[in-house]
Amino acid sequence: QSVLTQPPSASGTPGQRVTISCSGSSPNIGRNTVGWYQQVPGTAPKLLIYNNNERPSGVPDRFSGSKSGTSASLVISGLQSEDEADYYCAAWDDGLNGWVFGGGTKLTVL
Amino acid sequence: QVQLVESGGGVVQPGGSLRLSCEASGFTFSHHGMHWIRQAPGKGLEWVAFIRYDGSKDYYGGSVKGRFTISRDQSRNSLYLQMNSLRADDTAVYYCARYGGGQIFVDYWGQGTLVTVSS
Repeated sequence: QSVLTQPPSASGTPGQRVTISCSGSSPNIGRNTVGWYQQVPGTAPKLLIYNNNERPSGVPDRFSGSKSGTSASLVISGLQSEDEADYYCAAWDDGLNGWVFGGGTKLTVL
Repeated sequence: QVQLVESGGGVVQPGGSLRLSCEASGFTFSHHGMHWIRQAPGKGLEWVAFIRYDGSKDYYGGSVKGRFTISRDQSRNSLYLQMNSLRADDTAVYYCARYGGGQIFVDYWGQGTLVTVSS
């Protein structure tokens, strides 16, 4: 049981807009920033979004993040086949005094 | 370019010990905090431990506290994870990862090393 809650799966067709949610609570998302990571199966994760909505250089602007209260969202616009991967949210938790992840969302491009 | 290369994984019996290493290059190691993060087969990511850039403080996930110890050797640009009293549910790929600073939890990951706890 993960501290942050994500839907186990999501899907879309090429060109569509997909949203992946991440639900937490006051000690984590409510008081701290959220990061998002993309993991293609068999490879290491990659940083996608940090500080709720900032993209590292090299990450396409099709990827965007937002946060409101104790929830965060990752939006992928103009879905492409190479976006098929697992997506994880993460945040610091003041109560646990450590970082916590969501359980991950498997994105399928139909 | 930033490189993180883990080693030391393998098969160990329940109750046994193992020490993982991570050699860092391409950046000033002593300027960055470092993490260990693991992923059990077919499962999600789990944060394991963090050590500050200067080694002055460390933090652990609840499932490993008291059994695992994170450390670093600045002279060798290396990060370590000493794992004791290993259990079957410690079986996972262990990733070494760099703390990006500020609001960046992790900005670079190694490729991981597999630890299997089995009799």
